[in-house]
Amino acid sequence: QVQLQESGPGLVKPSGTLSLTCAVSGGSISSSNWWSWVRQPPGKGLEWIGEIYHSGTTSDNPSLKSRVTISVDKSKNQFSLKLSSVTAADTAVYYCARLGVVMAFDYWGQGTLVTVSS
Amino acid sequence: EIVLTQSPGTLSLSPGERATLSCRASQSVSSSYLAWYQQKPGQAPRLLISGASSRATGIPDRFSGSGSGTDFTLTISRLEPEDFAVYYCQQYGSSPPTFGQGTKLEI
Repeated sequence: QVQLQESGPGLVKPSGTLSLTCAVSGGSISSSNWWSWVRQPPGKGLEWIGEIYHSGTTSDNPSLKSRVTISVDKSKNQFSLKLSSVTAADTAVYYCARLGVVMAFDYWGQGTLVTVSS
Repeated sequence: EIVLTQSPGTLSLSPGERATLSCRASQSVSSSYLAWYQQKPGQAPRLLISGASSRATGIPDRFSGSGSGTDFTLTISRLEPEDFAVYYCQQYGSSPPTFGQGTKLEI
């Protein structure tokens, strides 16, 4: 059973950089899957942030205006998100998720709330 | 990007009733890339349906999905108390992947 676990600071200052890591267990990050970040502002819907393949190939949401960096560490079986120049609008629960062979997000982390505030 | 519009925004029903949730896309979506998720308060979304109509592992058969092109439907045949939640449709056929705004199913 694949499990994903997000970790990182719960509070980030405006204009700073949000940094999160997703540890994968029960499966290899080098499998034939893409690994994504999705966020959800309090009381609102879901927004896809970006994704990475174990080769290091990435894709991200143009709405985030090139503020996203996603990386993978195969030795630690984890991948990471950096979101720069954050504002209060970036306050959200951040989830990591796996894109399964069925072309849908079949495994999710439990989510971590990141608040942007001074 | 493809905009997914879900209706209704809120659906008020009782246990035992049938629920029909709609997802309409701004452009055609390949059925292979249309999914439905259930989300309960404080929890991550859970995959219910992929490929527009295939139930995910462990999902009861009262959940079914249908549709093609720009119109998709999630049907819950007989509501159980645990089915009251928010439901999202999502497409992965065109980048960026997008989600609908959600339908809240309430008692």
